Amino acid sequence: QKEVEQNSGPLSVPEGAIASLNCTYSDRGSQSFFWYRQYSGKSPELIMSIYSNGDKEDGRFTAQLNKASQYVSLLIRDSQPSDSATYLCAVMLDFGNEKLTFGTGTRLTIIP
Amino acid sequence: GAGVSQSPRYKVAKRGQDVALRCDPISGHVSLFWYQQALGQGPEFLTYFQNEAQLDKSGLPSDRFFAERPEGSVSTLKIQRTQQEDSAVYLCASSFTGVINTIYFGEGSWLTVV
Repeated sequence: QKEVEQNSGPLSVPEGAIASLNCTYSDRGSQSFFWYRQYSGKSPELIMSIYSNGDKEDGRFTAQLNKASQYVSLLIRDSQPSDSATYLCAVMLDFGNEKLTFGTGTRLTIIP
Repeated sequence: GAGVSQSPRYKVAKRGQDVALRCDPISGHVSLFWYQQALGQGPEFLTYFQNEAQLDKSGLPSDRFFAERPEGSVSTLKIQRTQQEDSAVYLCASSFTGVINTIYFGEGSWLTVV
């Protein structure tokens, strides 16, 4: 079992709809969780971080964390064509080691 | 520039050739990371420095891979006797230690081994 699992997609969502991206992780001791966006041929760009159970909202993005279920998700409201990218879920085990473990990424396409 | 700078951006190497990939982190960033990203996959951790100290090299796939950061700023990832399976994008990232949200990635060095 991979340490961080994501559905690789592709996930197609109509423009203006909500895109829902999911991620599960295997190490129950994981402390910090991140969502990165990666456009084709570009570097990963941090869009959300979350550390405690519940929801965290930033503009059109909401990250949700459930440590009991070892599950983290990203919702993108009012999806735009510019949101089309690969979304990478990343997990940091503890604050003393900044190493990130990434999932394989979910490719999201927003259909105009 | 203000970001993480990597060179070369693109490298084609013949199998068996040695390559060196350079990373210039953001000024003042203590932590530096190397990741390997194969096509269609997420980045895989290779190694991690705090200043000049290599704290974790557990992700280096073989003894052909070597990384250094002798003065605590610029880092070099060296791959000896390249193999086709080494073809990937090599991403460098840097951060302020202890400030979790400040991990920034460079554009990567695209290595193709033929």
